[in-house]
Amino acid sequence: GVTQSPTHLIKTRGQQVTLRCSSQSGHNTVSWYQQALGQGPQFIFQYYRKEENGRGNFPPRFSGLQFPNDSSELNVNALELDDSALYLCASSFGEDNEQFFGPGTRLTVL
Amino acid sequence: AQSVTQLDSQVPVFEEAPVELRCNYSSSVSVYLFWYVQYPNQGLQLLLKYLSGSTLVKGINGFEAEFNKSQTSFHLRKPSVHISDTAEYFCAVSDSGGGADGLTFGKGTHLIIQP
Repeated sequence: GVTQSPTHLIKTRGQQVTLRCSSQSGHNTVSWYQQALGQGPQFIFQYYRKEENGRGNFPPRFSGLQFPNDSSELNVNALELDDSALYLCASSFGEDNEQFFGPGTRLTVL
Repeated sequence: AQSVTQLDSQVPVFEEAPVELRCNYSSSVSVYLFWYVQYPNQGLQLLLKYLSGSTLVKGINGFEAEFNKSQTSFHLRKPSVHISDTAEYFCAVSDSGGGADGLTFGKGTHLIIQP
């Protein structure tokens, strides 16, 4: 399945953070979501064959990478207090957009 | 732009009673529809999905949902709930053209099963 690391992370405002994800084997698309407390997940962006091919309403300080070995990263620069959330990685294959989610990384920004 | 409305933020139900969780969506294009469940401190697990064909979709754990295009709804039902069904349930939509814009989720419905 999809795995994510670390499980929890605490950062201070202004710092940078990198979250990691390992997609399900054979999946060529990875998406990242931000889930604030008590809310539904919000789409950050999607990578297909190492290229960003879709983006939600998030600023450029949210960036990503997708690697050939089914792993990916979410990078967030200049952290703000409102970035505190659960970050979910999801992988998929094919056009039906069924996404398989990892357990998430809980980011706290102080 | 797509949007999803889950009309109830919380639904309390007695054990072994039936339940319906409501979901309405707004989209100008043909869509795929999904229901996910999230247990505390975990990621999301797919319950069922509608892509095309029969409007009644059966999923895991005894859940089913009905797609109603005229009412733009995709309500989730279970005839008899168990304590283990206590969780957060999310309805999601994507357009059927490849999904590069990801899934759009509702705010979720907290299903509370009372003994």
